[in-house]
Amino acid sequence: SQTIHQWPATLVQPVGSPLSLECTVEGTSNPNLYWYRQAAGRGLQLLFYSVGIGQISSEVPQNLSASRPQDRQFILSSKKLLLSDSGFYLCAWSEWEGHGYTFGSGTRLTVV
Amino acid sequence: SQKIEQNSEALNIQEGKTATLTCNYTNYSPAYLQWYRQDPGRGPVFLLLIRENEKEKRKERLKVTFDTTLKQSLFHITASQPADSATYLCALAGNYGQNFVFGPGTRLSVLP
Repeated sequence: SQTIHQWPATLVQPVGSPLSLECTVEGTSNPNLYWYRQAAGRGLQLLFYSVGIGQISSEVPQNLSASRPQDRQFILSSKKLLLSDSGFYLCAWSEWEGHGYTFGSGTRLTVV
Repeated sequence: SQKIEQNSEALNIQEGKTATLTCNYTNYSPAYLQWYRQDPGRGPVFLLLIRENEKEKRKERLKVTFDTTLKQSLFHITASQPADSATYLCALAGNYGQNFVFGPGTRLSVLP
């Protein structure tokens, strides 16, 4: 069966520090991968999506970046965090168009 | 610009009643519409998907309708239980079904 792993669960980082969040999927090949952010009391905002290794599309301009070094690995990064980067970050995968997303357990990031 | 609205931020109903949640959209012609359940501090969980050429979909106590003329989806939970208390999100995607845009969610509380 397919599983998705996302870590860490919580993170407190100072302003200006770097960020690296990792997401891995097991039990499937060539999944579509996504990074979403959810601010407190807000909906999910799509940050990045990937349909294959090395293929990254960005939905919103920001100081975040994403990479997909392996088929089932998706990484969210930042060189210098801002206070506004605080939020709940969710990784997700789907098999084909229109298929339901499977979300990871999320990372609660607080930038102080 | 595209906009997705969910009828209310919070909805309280009595156990055993049918809960009806609304998802309205503007400036959008989605090919797919999904509903998710999200518990506090957790990632959303996929519930149902409905395509633009489908009027209704059912799964156990859940029913989803999709009216492309009204630009609206209704999500029903029959015989609601306190365990159904959660935030419910609708999400829409275009023809390629790859990048779902999420609504802000409705927090449902089922009172015993």
